[in-house]
Amino acid sequence: AQKITQTQPGMFVQEKEAVTLDCTYDTSDQSYGLFWYKQPSSGEMIFLIYQGSYDEQNATEGRYSLNFQKARKSANLVISASQLGDSAMYFCAMREDNTGANSKLTFGKGITLSVRP
Amino acid sequence: EPEVTQTPSHQVTQMGQEVILRCVPISNHLYFYWYRQILGQKVEFLVSFYNNEISEKSEIFDDQFSVERPDGSNFTLKIRSTKLEDSAMYFCASSEQGRLRTEAFFGQGTRLTVV
Repeated sequence: AQKITQTQPGMFVQEKEAVTLDCTYDTSDQSYGLFWYKQPSSGEMIFLIYQGSYDEQNATEGRYSLNFQKARKSANLVISASQLGDSAMYFCAMREDNTGANSKLTFGKGITLSVRP
Repeated sequence: EPEVTQTPSHQVTQMGQEVILRCVPISNHLYFYWYRQILGQKVEFLVSFYNNEISEKSEIFDDQFSVERPDGSNFTLKIRSTKLEDSAMYFCASSEQGRLRTEAFFGQGTRLTVV
């Protein structure tokens, strides 16, 4: 089974509007972390936001917030006030606690976001 | 701001040749990783490294691959005999800790093209 599922096709949003990028995950661990990374066309991976499984509040970082619904195993990224520079591929990733002290990230397939002027 | 540095940014090599991809992790980080991304696909874990040994490797990381930390700053990925299907973007990442909360910082990647 896929650990991280991102099924949305390419997403489009009008500049200055908000957009939600979906992510669902699968784990049997009680302790895990969820991450979102941005990959612009230049190729680098940029960390955006983190949510821990035990965090009671949804994470926020500037214009990014994470809508964490633990029972549904979803961790959707919300980008508010979209900017042209937000056009990129967005990856959801998970770190599980059972893989030891040096736990790896498992990524989803990514979602392409295009911001329209 | 400290960053992970990878060289070269792009490498073209002939099938069967050896390549070494280089990375300089962030200086106070102790945990190192290699990931790869075949064009248009998801990022896949290759190997993690801590305390001068491999912590975990994926099934992609077969005998053709090796990693090394030859000195206090560099972290290298060697592919002994490249195949066409090794063509991908290779990312090095490092983190201060290996724990859940700690984000991994990625380098800009090395695009490897095997011809």
